[in-house]
Order: sequence, then structure tokens, then C-alpha cells
Amino acid sequence: GENVEQHPSTLSVQEGDSAVIKCTYSDSASNYFPWYKQELGKRPQLIIDIRSNVGEKKDQRIAVTLNKTAKHFSLHITETQPEDSAVYFCAAMDSGGSYIPTFGRGTSLIVHP
Amino acid sequence: KAGVTQTPRYLIKTRGQQVTLSCSPISGHRSVSWYQQTPGQGLQFLFEYFSETQRNKGNFPGRFSGRQFSNSRSEMNVSTLELGDSALYLCASSLGTGEAKNIQYFGAGTRLSVL
Repeated sequence: GENVEQHPSTLSVQEGDSAVIKCTYSDSASNYFPWYKQELGKRPQLIIDIRSNVGEKKDQRIAVTLNKTAKHFSLHITETQPEDSAVYFCAAMDSGGSYIPTFGRGTSLIVHP
Repeated sequence: KAGVTQTPRYLIKTRGQQVTLSCSPISGHRSVSWYQQTPGQGLQFLFEYFSETQRNKGNFPGRFSGRQFSNSRSEMNVSTLELGDSALYLCASSLGTGEAKNIQYFGAGTRLSVL
């Protein structure tokens, strides 16, 4: 089955800095990679996703990059703000096979004002 | 559209008891997945139901079971509760088919405490 490793487990940055969270996956059949943000006491919410036919996707201050050859993908947040503080989860899945994603263990991002 | 609704939000049970959690998916969504979330363990997949059938199953003991009704609402049952079952239980719904089938929307979760 799929295995997703996520690093770092904790990331502390100053407001305005950039933050990068990295994930690796094991199953070369995986072709859909969503990222979820979970604020304290709230539900995980999809913030961005990428499919294997593109290498990068941006949405305002967040971007995701995918390297299929190396089987890794990353979340980039620029100009971080205190409201970006949350736990971020990456996930990988084969949209043509299993219908559920395999999640990484999460990264706790702390943005200091 | 209303989001994914989970009830109850909080539960306190004692060891050996059983518990039933409920999840109402987004209207039109036919797939419901259940996850256990504990500190440091991330989201552990329990099972997924689609059109009243269990389509995928994670590595949890048989004490954890579920079902889905014809209106796509799902229930999860845990029997003979153990202290280690204390966790946040999340359900997520998705279309289950088509281009956007994989996009999951989460409920707020049920916080289960086993004493």
C-alpha cells in the first residue's frame, strides 16, 4: 500500500517568512495530492491540490510542487501570517484505484507575530 | 449546501461500553470515509462506504464497524471500548465517482473520551 512521509513535524517561523513542508510517497501509481489545513479545534479543510499531470500549482500565497520522478511534493507558503498557524496534512492517492487518500502525520506550523 | 455533519460532538464512555457515531454527508455525496485522529498519529483510515457497501477498509480491529444507509448517512460503531480508543473521529464525504470523486470534505468530528 501507499506510504506517505511528511517533514518537518513542527515548523516555527516569523511572520513574513516563507514556510516549506515536504512529503514523499511510495506508490508510483499515486496521481492526486491534496493538502489540508486543520486549525486548532476545527475540521481539516482542503487548501490546495495537485494532479500528476502538472508540476506546480499556485493559489495566492500558497503553492504546491510535485516531482513525480523523485516521488515527492511540497507545500510552499509565502509571506506567512499568524492565521496560517495550524497543522497541515499532505496526502497521496491513486484516483484510478483506491478511493481514499493516505495521509502524512502532519506538520504543526507556528507563525510568530 | 450544508457541510458534513457529525453527531454527537462529544462523548464520554467507560471501558467495555459501546458507542455509535453518526455522519451526514454533503447532499449528493455517496462516499463516506471514517478516520481516527490522535496526537502524533495523524489521520488513521478506518473504512469507506459507497452506496451502502464497504469499499475500503483500514487496519483496525473488528470492534470497529460501520454502515451506510440509502440516504448516504453513515454510522460507525465501536464495541467493547478501550482506553486507547479515546480520539477524535472524523468523517469525510466525497462524490465517490467522476472527476472530483477524490476531493474529501471533513466533518467537525466527534471527540470520544473513554474512562
